[in-house]
Amino acid sequence: DAGITQSPRHKVTETGTPVTLRCHQTENHRYMYWYRQDPGHGLRLIHYSYGVKDTDKGEVSDGYSVSRSKTEDFLLTLESATSSQTSVYFCAISESIGGRQPQHFGDGTRLSIL
Amino acid sequence: AQSVTQLDSHVSVSEGTPVLLRCNYSSSYSPSLFWYVQHPNKGLQLLLKYTSAATLVKGINGFEAEFKKSETSFHLTKPSAHMSDAAEYFCVVSDRGGSNYKLTFGKGTLLTVNP
Repeated sequence: DAGITQSPRHKVTETGTPVTLRCHQTENHRYMYWYRQDPGHGLRLIHYSYGVKDTDKGEVSDGYSVSRSKTEDFLLTLESATSSQTSVYFCAISESIGGRQPQHFGDGTRLSIL
Repeated sequence: AQSVTQLDSHVSVSEGTPVLLRCNYSSSYSPSLFWYVQHPNKGLQLLLKYTSAATLVKGINGFEAEFKKSETSFHLTKPSAHMSDAAEYFCVVSDRGGSNYKLTFGKGTLLTVNP
């Protein structure tokens, strides 16, 4: 299995609080991604990174920010959490962004916002 | 624009019988296609991938899929289901949107295996 660790694995917090999720990889892959998974929607891309300090938006980026200060770490921040951001969040990595390269996923973070 | 349709949201089979999970796609370019499996409380694990080589692709755990361009399909099959195959399965297409490649996920098919 790809060396991807997500932390925390579970979190419950209140509306309006800031939340940071961490993704750590040991594969030295250049590309990292954050997705959210919701029933009936499959996985949707929030943000991705193509190198240290290089990030871009995905299809559902509103309300989220990311940072990547080291190759191995990719942080997802909810500046002021809302109930609509209750979801399961997955980090993924890939060697390249070419279409033939699969992405490898972490085990997810289950986030509940009350 | 690319899209993926998994034709069944839920498939139920008996142990030892064949599995068929159906996936249709649309793509403006020559796509790459993937099948992932997700067990409860786990991330997505790659089962197999098609990247314009052989149209019949073999994956892990006895699964295989056939790319049929004329039918725009990439159905996943397994000759004999095992209890451990019970999970959710996602069909994914990778296409080139602008200067980057984008993954589009199907909404998933939940496979139930009955003893």
